[in-house]
Amino acid sequence: DTAVSQTPKYLVTQMGNDKSIKCEQNLGHDTMYWYKQDSKKFLKIMFSYNNKELIINETVPNRFSPKSPDKAHLNLHINSLELGDSAVYFCASSQVNGETQYFGPGTRLLVL
Amino acid sequence: GESVGLHLPTLSVQEGDNSIINCAYSNSASDYFIWYKQESGKGPQFIIDIRSNMDKRQGQRVTVLLNKTVKHLSLQIAATQPGDSAVYFCAENRAYGNEKLTFGTGTRLTIIP
Repeated sequence: DTAVSQTPKYLVTQMGNDKSIKCEQNLGHDTMYWYKQDSKKFLKIMFSYNNKELIINETVPNRFSPKSPDKAHLNLHINSLELGDSAVYFCASSQVNGETQYFGPGTRLLVL
Repeated sequence: GESVGLHLPTLSVQEGDNSIINCAYSNSASDYFIWYKQESGKGPQFIIDIRSNMDKRQGQRVTVLLNKTVKHLSLQIAATQPGDSAVYFCAENRAYGNEKLTFGTGTRLTIIP
């Protein structure tokens, strides 16, 4: 009965590949987010969507493209993966933008 | 620049003692603050929140204090248990213009049995 789920949990891939991470929330929330957490545990917001509409797009390379097919799903596609993309990516959701967010378990991406 | 920072990156506390984790913020326009707990291998988990019209809020074994005068936030955990070992983040919602949570750098709390 997971509130925010992500797949896959682990992702190991070669530099230059394209990969996607999927996120789903069953909380009925209107807003979803993608965060990147680096090796020092710093959490940085990348994107947020409200009712399938992009509302926050931080300074992220355009190799990263979010897509929200409906308000319960927010996927992240990454083109031409680089070594520096290695991190843990967290999806989150909230009822109201900027308010309490509920996080998924994370996707651990390792680019070799 | 604006930032949400923590005074101590690591904190070790004897089991059963109380712990205090501190957080400094610089944006006086922030009106909503949250503490999150992140255990190893998991996503951040909501602990407690507070709005700027309050200076104290209590939960189960946790208390958040907000001092707007010095832009300081703290999380007190009473009677710590081994399960409290985790990284703790404060986050602020900067109310004007860009509605998003900005996270601090985190404090690693270790409970010593």
